[in-house]
Amino acid sequence: KAGVTQTPRYLIKTRGQQVTLSCSPISGHRSVSWYQQTPGQGLQFLFEYFSETQRNKGNFPGRFSGRQFSNSRSEMNVSTLELGDSALYLCASSGTENTEAFFGQGTRLTVV
Amino acid sequence: GQSLEQPSEVTAVEGAIVQINCTYQTSGFYGLSWYQQHDGGAPTFLSYNALDGLEETGRFSSFLSRSDSYGYLLLQELQMKDSASYFCAVRHRDDKIIFGKGTRLHILP
Repeated sequence: KAGVTQTPRYLIKTRGQQVTLSCSPISGHRSVSWYQQTPGQGLQFLFEYFSETQRNKGNFPGRFSGRQFSNSRSEMNVSTLELGDSALYLCASSGTENTEAFFGQGTRLTVV
Repeated sequence: GQSLEQPSEVTAVEGAIVQINCTYQTSGFYGLSWYQQHDGGAPTFLSYNALDGLEETGRFSSFLSRSDSYGYLLLQELQMKDSASYFCAVRHRDDKIIFGKGTRLHILP
């Protein structure tokens, strides 16, 4: 079955703009998590959605938001972009057991 | 708070054995996982320890000791393709998965 798909793969935005990233999980997976990855900081947890509800949230400012649709596809939005938001944004989906997270290839966001 | 500590870099020789440690300060978690990430790639799942002890999957083994808040990933018969970053992660009881900052493994020929 198809893996986790993230679009777009690359994005360049200017400071102050907003951006929306998309994630399609593995079919049947209802949990979708988002992570920000920067050099030296590992994968920092943004939020997790399950059945259209935000179940967990990390320590990021309110400029970072997300949502999940009835088909489990998820989007994350970052408003008022800052240079420090430049990172690889990874989405991961998990099945019922939730012991393994399946990652997409990520969206590389560059803010200039 | 919740935190996982692992070395930032480890270097080993091709064919040798290397151990990557992970210590954590968290409670109420289901298990410890390990992920591998090659440059430019996505993290991929390697192993999951729900119980204390050793789990073996081919050349890779993973260990967990809840009483010591410690786990490790053991890679045997190292190959050049094992050069990558390795992340430990805990799955909390609220189903949130938190990752460490990763260990960059360098393999020398």
